[in-house]
Amino acid sequence: KQEVTQIPAALSVPEGENLVLNCSFTDSAIYNLQWFRQDPGKGLTSLLLIQSSQREQTSGRLNASLDKSSGRSTLYIAASQPGDSATYLCAVVSSGTYKYIFGTGTRLKVLA
Amino acid sequence: GAGVSQSPSNKVTEKGKDVELRCDPISGHTALYWYRQSLGQGLEFLIYFQGNSAPDKSGLPSDRFSAERTGGSVSTLTIQRTQQEDSAVYLCASSSLNQPQHFGDGTRLSIL
Repeated sequence: KQEVTQIPAALSVPEGENLVLNCSFTDSAIYNLQWFRQDPGKGLTSLLLIQSSQREQTSGRLNASLDKSSGRSTLYIAASQPGDSATYLCAVVSSGTYKYIFGTGTRLKVLA
Repeated sequence: GAGVSQSPSNKVTEKGKDVELRCDPISGHTALYWYRQSLGQGLEFLIYFQGNSAPDKSGLPSDRFSAERTGGSVSTLTIQRTQQEDSAVYLCASSSLNQPQHFGDGTRLSIL
């Protein structure tokens, strides 16, 4: 059974810092992995989608990497800004299914 | 273009009543997902629709929960004889095959 864990659960950093959020999963047979952000009272916004054949994806100040063999993904945020404050969730789709399994998220606060 | 739309945005009802939650996916998206997000918890998969295939209902927590997707578009999630533990945010997402999921803002359900 696929399980997804995110560490840390919460993170508070000063503006301008580079930071890394971690996601680990127990079953390496995945179809893809997706990173989302969720603002309070809102749904999820997709940030990056990494297919199983890819090792990383980049969008602006965000870079996500995927290491299937070790069951890990990281989301790197460069030059953090207060507007980056949100909960970040990762989700994986195991091969042979279309079911997304989510981690419980990392709650990020970037201080001005 | 319009995103995923969910209604109502908030619903307060008495224990034992039935509720219907609606999701309008992005036009053309063949996949539709329902999730439940309880306070402090991650997203819990409920049900998945893909085109005309039989839905994956493996995440529905009890037989009080059911969902339909009419004409491959709008979906309704019905909860019969609501219980207090049903209180949560119910999120809907849609996507094209192997593309990022797009989420609605959710329905916040409160059972008194």
